[in-house]
Amino acid sequence: QQQVKQSPQSLIVQKGGISIINCAYENTAFDYFPWYQQFPGKGPALLIAIRPDVSEKKEGRFTISFNKSAKQFSLHIMDSQPGDSATYFCAASIEETSGSRLTFGEGTQLTVNP
Amino acid sequence: GAGVSQSPRYKVAKRGRDVALRCDSISGHVTLYWYRQTLGQGSEVLTYSQSDAQRDKSGRPSGRFSAERPERSVSTLKIQRTEQGDSAVYLCASSFSDGGTGGYTFGSGTRLTVV
Repeated sequence: QQQVKQSPQSLIVQKGGISIINCAYENTAFDYFPWYQQFPGKGPALLIAIRPDVSEKKEGRFTISFNKSAKQFSLHIMDSQPGDSATYFCAASIEETSGSRLTFGEGTQLTVNP
Repeated sequence: GAGVSQSPRYKVAKRGRDVALRCDSISGHVTLYWYRQTLGQGSEVLTYSQSDAQRDKSGRPSGRFSAERPERSVSTLKIQRTEQGDSAVYLCASSFSDGGTGGYTFGSGTRLTVV
């Protein structure tokens, strides 16, 4: 059962354009939604994260939009750059005392053309 | 160390053999996770341990996957009777918190190929 669904699987954007990646979740108990960026041969690195008490969070060129009622959240990359080319994973977890495990989406391979 | 280190980077195993993958986490991090990353399917948690627990709690799939934590900052993922479907990248991640949602640091992974 895939609890976090991510789309698209791949995305090609021109330099300066906006990259948009979408995720939908099923478990309403999730209370933490991070996005990870992964370059080839490297592990995922936390990019930006949001909690469900806010609808938007912005850090530089990266923005998360969160829609609690629709159980959806998305990553927007403004002014996309070739250096942003990587695989992006959305994730969700529940804050709990027994260790919070991330449930990942399938990943989106982003290519930003110069 | 400065980050999470995994070894080996690449591992080729014959089907049916057991393999062991090592993770050296960040000093002071208490929770350690193993994830399996498969192309196009994202990552799923395999097992995790907290604090000084030597035996890990199994996630999915269970049975053939287990982890030992001989030292607080070291974990070994053991895969018994490997199958071709086990071919994937195995990621180790550690966190400074026992619970909660912050501070995951991932290693670069071990790419396992079962032939």
